[in-house]
Amino acid sequence: DSGVTQTPKHLITATGQRVTLRCSPRSGDLSVYWYQQSLDQGLQFLIQYYNGEERAKGNILERFSAQQFPDLHSELNLSSLELGDSALYFCASSPGTSGYISYNEQFFGPGTRLTVL
Amino acid sequence: GNSVTQMEGPVTLSEEAFLTINCTYTATGYPSLFWYVQYPGEGLQLLLKATKADDKGSNKGFEATYRKETTSFHLEKGSVQVSDSAVYFCALSTKAAGNKLTFGGGTRVLVKP
Repeated sequence: DSGVTQTPKHLITATGQRVTLRCSPRSGDLSVYWYQQSLDQGLQFLIQYYNGEERAKGNILERFSAQQFPDLHSELNLSSLELGDSALYFCASSPGTSGYISYNEQFFGPGTRLTVL
Repeated sequence: GNSVTQMEGPVTLSEEAFLTINCTYTATGYPSLFWYVQYPGEGLQLLLKATKADDKGSNKGFEATYRKETTSFHLEKGSVQVSDSAVYFCALSTKAAGNKLTFGGGTRVLVKP
């Protein structure tokens, strides 16, 4: 158990709909990363938040957005869903930086499997 | 930009065989290197890591050495078990890229009894 939790585990929805995926990082971790795993694209970085602020963006579609709340949990919002958005979505957390030390290990949650019909 | 190339699978082995999965990388800056493992139906687990040249990461009988001269981080295990059947991902991160992970395509390993 990595200490990172994600809900829901599975999500089945229809095209055009909007869903929200939730992630709770490990206790004390300030950084949250979102990744998408699909058969054709592999594992792709979507977006990173650090202590409530967006830190980096990857291959994230404009239909997707995320935020990190004061309690450090994060949500990934996917809207106007298309068949191609079906994938496993992972959240990972990391301590971030403490003083001069940059912690770069990331700990992954179990993922949310999204199926768009 | 950063990229990781790893050998395509599947790799099928018998129990107690020697396993090698090749991984090479291209990075801007000085990367940290990782191997993650994904068991069926589960998330990714950090298997081992190395943060500087010539470092050897090791865990659960797996080893990988950070080779800067050949930009490689090959994963090895001397004697695999059926329980090692999984998908293995090589990955890197750089501080300049915000420590996001760049993954290889993954290598599926199947160990038969």
